[in-house]
Amino acid sequence: NAGVMQNPRHLVRRRGQEARLRCSPMKGHSHVYWYRQLPEEGLKFMVYLQKENIIDESGMPKERFSAEFPKEGPSILRIQQVVRGDSAAYFCASSPPSSGRTGELFFGEGSRLTVL
Amino acid sequence: GNSVTQMEGPVTLSEEAFLTINCTYTATGYPSLFWYVQYPGEGLQLLLKATKADDKGSNKGFEATYRKETTSFHLEKGSVQVSDSAVYFCALYSGGGADGLTFGKGTHLIIQP
Repeated sequence: NAGVMQNPRHLVRRRGQEARLRCSPMKGHSHVYWYRQLPEEGLKFMVYLQKENIIDESGMPKERFSAEFPKEGPSILRIQQVVRGDSAAYFCASSPPSSGRTGELFFGEGSRLTVL
Repeated sequence: GNSVTQMEGPVTLSEEAFLTINCTYTATGYPSLFWYVQYPGEGLQLLLKATKADDKGSNKGFEATYRKETTSFHLEKGSVQVSDSAVYFCALYSGGGADGLTFGKGTHLIIQP
């Protein structure tokens, strides 16, 4: 039973380029969360999605960032026109359907974005 | 809003020492409380949890008790090992909103042989 799969593990981009991070939740999980971890800081919530729906994006910057979780395929976090301040580890987590929501999330190993 | 405050790190201990990592929280309602651990180069893993006041979560020799009167959830272990070196995150889940968990900033624990 595979866990939460994220790719790429490491991504290097130059300023102004686009970054795409992918996340496949655990089997049977329909809720996906994205968190950002800046150096020396804790995890900050970005967005919560279910299949084809953004439930809460209150933690997502208003510009350049977007997320989706299509009916088929992984969830994608997209950062357009990256800047150095976007350098961070981006973690995806998943959880079972609503009836099982307890706050217990299952995390992937993260995607580490470096912007040159 | 919800918030979690945990002690600043890094915390450096010798093997077999007693460990305490303090965590206090502010939340509306009655949150569930968690400790997550992040080993080097890996994602977070749930270490233990408690869902109501006076509950004690325990796993791998670690314990934490949900103290509503002091709004605390301190992590303890009687005898740490080098393999416990990691970053430990205290977190709460209030369940009222859709924003998942609220995390503390993390405490980096270093165990020396």
